[in-house]
Amino acid sequence: EAGVAQSPRYKIIEKRQSVAFWCNPISGHATLYWYQQILGQGPKLLIQFQNNGVVDDSQLPKDRFSAERLKGVDSTLKIQPAKLEDSAVYLCASSLVLGSAGNTIYFGEGSWLTVV
Amino acid sequence: AQSVTQPDIHITVSEGASLELRCNYSYGATPYLFWYVQSPGQGLQLLLKYFSGDTLVQGIKGFEAEFKRSQSSFNLRKPSVHWSDAAEYFCAVATGTYKYIFGTGTRLKVLA
Repeated sequence: EAGVAQSPRYKIIEKRQSVAFWCNPISGHATLYWYQQILGQGPKLLIQFQNNGVVDDSQLPKDRFSAERLKGVDSTLKIQPAKLEDSAVYLCASSLVLGSAGNTIYFGEGSWLTVV
Repeated sequence: AQSVTQPDIHITVSEGASLELRCNYSYGATPYLFWYVQSPGQGLQLLLKYFSGDTLVQGIKGFEAEFKRSQSSFNLRKPSVHWSDAAEYFCAVATGTYKYIFGTGTRLKVLA
């Protein structure tokens, strides 16, 4: 079974530029998550989708970050304009359904962003 | 507010020695608890999880964890560490709104 796919794996941009990350979850997984992991910290949830609807985006900096999951499968996370403090690993994850806190979340390998 | 604390930022053990990584959580209801491992440049891989029932849970790669409600702890253990276990380990709790909250991680170094 294929895992969660993310691209690009690495990206270096200048501050005030824009960047987009793509995620393809495990087939059949209705719930998709984007996490931000800053070096030395644990992952922090940015946004959570159930199919193509947003369940939780309370920690998404909406003035610069946006995410969409138009057909309930793939998702794109965009940052515009980027700031130095956005340097982090952006982890996409998926799980079968929302409705059980015990659902296992499966993570992709992450997209590493450096803002200079 | 829900939170997860991993008191040890770094731990160094010799290969073959036993290992215990500490995790304390703060959550008002019955917690769903997880341990993930992250190797350099990789995503997070699930080691084990606790939902209910037996408080000692077995995971992959020879890891186990014990849920102790009275201590609000979910410590990860391995009887004999291998060099390939060097990685960062994250404890997480899932809340009633199905949000995972992660600790800050413990980086494990294994000496040959």
